[in-house]
Amino acid sequence: DAGVTQSPTHLIKTRGQQVTLRCSPKSGHDTVSWYQQALGQGPQFIFQYYEEEERQRGNFPDRFSGHQFPNYSSELNVNALLLGDSALYLCASSPTGNTEAFFGQGTRLTVV
Amino acid sequence: SQQGEEDPQALSIQEGENATMNCSYKTSINNLQWYRQNSGRGLVHLILIRSNEREKHSGRLRVTLDTSKKSSSLLITASRAADTASYFCATDALQAGTALIFGKGTTLSVSS
Repeated sequence: DAGVTQSPTHLIKTRGQQVTLRCSPKSGHDTVSWYQQALGQGPQFIFQYYEEEERQRGNFPDRFSGHQFPNYSSELNVNALLLGDSALYLCASSPTGNTEAFFGQGTRLTVV
Repeated sequence: SQQGEEDPQALSIQEGENATMNCSYKTSINNLQWYRQNSGRGLVHLILIRSNEREKHSGRLRVTLDTSKKSSSLLITASRAADTASYFCATDALQAGTALIFGKGTTLSVSS
């Protein structure tokens, strides 16, 4: 079982650009959540996808959007990047209704 | 915003000693979980305790939950150098789905 896989592992973007991060959930998991973790902080919930729809959303602007595909994999898109978007972006998957989450290794995004 | 607050922020101990870290949260919950993170990578689920449970054990881990005080503690017995990591508590707010709300974490350093 491959677990949760994220790509890429590292990314450097310029302010104002757009970025897409990808996540493949653990086998058998149909719910995918995304978190942003700034240096020295705990992860902050961005949004959660289930059955290809956004089910819950945290306190993040509309520049953050996502998508879930029929195979349950997911993408996180961030438009008009700001320096403050530099962070570790974590994807987590879980079976329906289960809060125990399995995390990927994250994508380290640096905005310059 | 962060739901939980871990205490202490940092903890340094010797191998073989016990490590205790505490977590406080703000709203009613379904359950509380503890996660470990090594060197800013993915989070690993350690243990989940439900709101109707008061204590739970898993190997060298002991978790307590006091819902009247909205607090939890994680005890790691006989610490090893490999336990060096950041530890986060995470809650899911009652009736607010399965999104996790994390605290800022406790950084544990175990020296040999």
